[in-house]
Amino acid sequence: GAVVSQHPSWVICKSGTSVKIECRSLDFQATTMFWYRQFPKQSLMLMATSNEGSKATYEQGVEKDKFLINHASLTLSTLTVTSAHPEDSSFYICSASIAGGPKNEQFFGPGTRLTVL
Amino acid sequence: GQNIDQPTEMTATEGAIVQINCTYQTSGFNGLFWYQQHAGEAPTFLSYNVLDGLEEKGRFSSFLSRSKGYSYLLLKELQMKDSASYLCAVKNTDKLIFGTGTRLQVFP
Repeated sequence: GAVVSQHPSWVICKSGTSVKIECRSLDFQATTMFWYRQFPKQSLMLMATSNEGSKATYEQGVEKDKFLINHASLTLSTLTVTSAHPEDSSFYICSASIAGGPKNEQFFGPGTRLTVL
Repeated sequence: GQNIDQPTEMTATEGAIVQINCTYQTSGFNGLFWYQQHAGEAPTFLSYNVLDGLEEKGRFSSFLSRSKGYSYLLLKELQMKDSASYLCAVKNTDKLIFGTGTRLQVFP
């Protein structure tokens, strides 16, 4: 149980284009989903927290107009990187948590590797 | 500010025991997690501590001292497949704040 999927697993795009990444909780309903970014040899940095049906809360320094997050249902959140540039190349990981769980554990997706040319 | 520190790299020999330390200073605390992450993959859950003391789970144990802002992950009977990054993460309300991560290399 508690499986989270991401799609696509990797994507290569041209500079200036937009890329959408999907995060799905497959066998549970996630009231909260989180988006992280991880640069090579670095740890995970939280970008934003998204709750179903409401606007995402972005961490300091993360541009909300550049990283659009939509959490339309209890099983799906999307992250759109708009007008991508090479410096946006990174490993993007989502996680989902079950409200009221014993330790509010976050279950992580397999990640999406974005390369912007 | 939020500070979670871990050693950057560690090496150990197959069959040995290794302890990975984590110190933290955060504005809030709702528990501490340890994750294992292999290169290019998502983190996988190893352990969770919310009260002081030792939690044991097979070859892996985790310790927490809230008064000292300190935790460690203990790996026993090391195997080659344990070569990975180990991430300490503090839960603050519903957010996870990750430490810098420790890259462990296990040698035969």
